[in-house]
Amino acid sequence: GEDVEQSLFLSVREGDSSVINCTYTDSSSTYLYWYKQEPGAGLQLLTYIFSNMDMKQDQRLTVLLNKKDKHLSLRIADTQTGDSAIYFCALRESGGSYIPTFGRGTSLIVHP
Amino acid sequence: DAGVTQSPTHLIKTRGQQVTLRCSPKSGHDTVSWYQQALGQGPQFIFQYYEEEERQRGNFPDRFSGHQFPNYSSELNVNALLLGDSALYLCASSFVQGEQYFGPGTRLTVT
Repeated sequence: GEDVEQSLFLSVREGDSSVINCTYTDSSSTYLYWYKQEPGAGLQLLTYIFSNMDMKQDQRLTVLLNKKDKHLSLRIADTQTGDSAIYFCALRESGGSYIPTFGRGTSLIVHP
Repeated sequence: DAGVTQSPTHLIKTRGQQVTLRCSPKSGHDTVSWYQQALGQGPQFIFQYYEEEERQRGNFPDRFSGHQFPNYSSELNVNALLLGDSALYLCASSFVQGEQYFGPGTRLTVT
């Protein structure tokens, strides 16, 4: 099955950019998602990218996909304290089970 | 438009007991998936319901069962609770196999 790896922690200063990384093993992944989970809450879908794209930008969020290296990243520009949360990378295939496989999540801590 | 709702918010049970968790999908969604999220982990897929039938199942024992009602809402039942069942249980809804939208979760503690 798919393995999805993320670093566990990232600490940044308010106003800086944050880059959260994700690597995966299954090259057949077609949909690649980023979810945000605030303390005590469910998962919020932030953005997603299709495997035929290299980049997607949505306001402060930029998603980069390197299919050769099986590497996905989420860049948050001008990081705010409200961005402090756990960020999950999730991947799924276009056929087959349609069920996304999640990484363990990266805890983003934003210091004032 | 209400999003995905789950009840109860928190629950404390004793080992060996049974529990039922409930989920109402986002308006317009017909598919409900259940996930277990242990502390410090990503969500793990339990099963998915569509047209009142279990369509897919993850690697969870038969103690975990579910149901979907004609109005698309769903229940997750866990029998013979173990300490290891303590987790956040997340419900996600979608329209057929589209993007999943998650509810706030039910925090289950087994003592």
